[in-house]
Amino acid sequence: GAGVSQSPSNKVTEKGKDVELRCDPISGHTALYWYRQSLGQGLEFLIYFQGNSAPDKSGLPSDRFSAERTGGSVSTLTIQRTQQEDSAVYLCASKSSPDTQYFGPGTRLTVL
Amino acid sequence: GENVEQHPSTLSVQEGDSAVIKCTYSDSASNYFPWYKQELGKGPQLIIDIRSNVGEKKDQRIAVTLNKTAKHFSLHITETQPEDSAVYFCAASGVGFQKLVFGTGTRLLVSP
Repeated sequence: GAGVSQSPSNKVTEKGKDVELRCDPISGHTALYWYRQSLGQGLEFLIYFQGNSAPDKSGLPSDRFSAERTGGSVSTLTIQRTQQEDSAVYLCASKSSPDTQYFGPGTRLTVL
Repeated sequence: GENVEQHPSTLSVQEGDSAVIKCTYSDSASNYFPWYKQELGKGPQLIIDIRSNVGEKKDQRIAVTLNKTAKHFSLHITETQPEDSAVYFCAASGVGFQKLVFGTGTRLLVSP
């Protein structure tokens, strides 16, 4: 079946612009995660959605970052007033609790 | 909170040799330990996982061992092949497997 998909695959933006990154989880998966992976680094947890519960936003690095999940499916990660340090690969994962997290291919964000 | 350390950061082996990657974790309550393989330009893919009620798990050429007392776990790859070349991440998670904390990754290079 279809895996986790993310769009766009690459995004280049100018400093100060807002960007939206999209994640389509595996159908039926109740949990959805966003991670950030800087060049050559590990995965940094950003935010976690589980069903209808309030999201766990404890990993968001600043109030410029926000995310929503509509209808318990698609999620959008928004970064406002982008900075050069926001350049990274943003990965989305979904799972059917309590099982494995399945990752999408990521969106490579470059802030000029 | 949980902290996961991973060593080595890079590992070069000859085809056919074994490779071992080690991780330590800090939270004794962690009970789920997956390993992910990430190829260039792709999202991480689960290759094996272990839960705290077992000490070792094998799947063909890969195995994972867990020492709860010492709070460390290791990935073992035998008879390495060039297609094993990738970045490998360990992770740890607590009760309910809700959030994963990742190590910083090991770049494995298998030379023919």
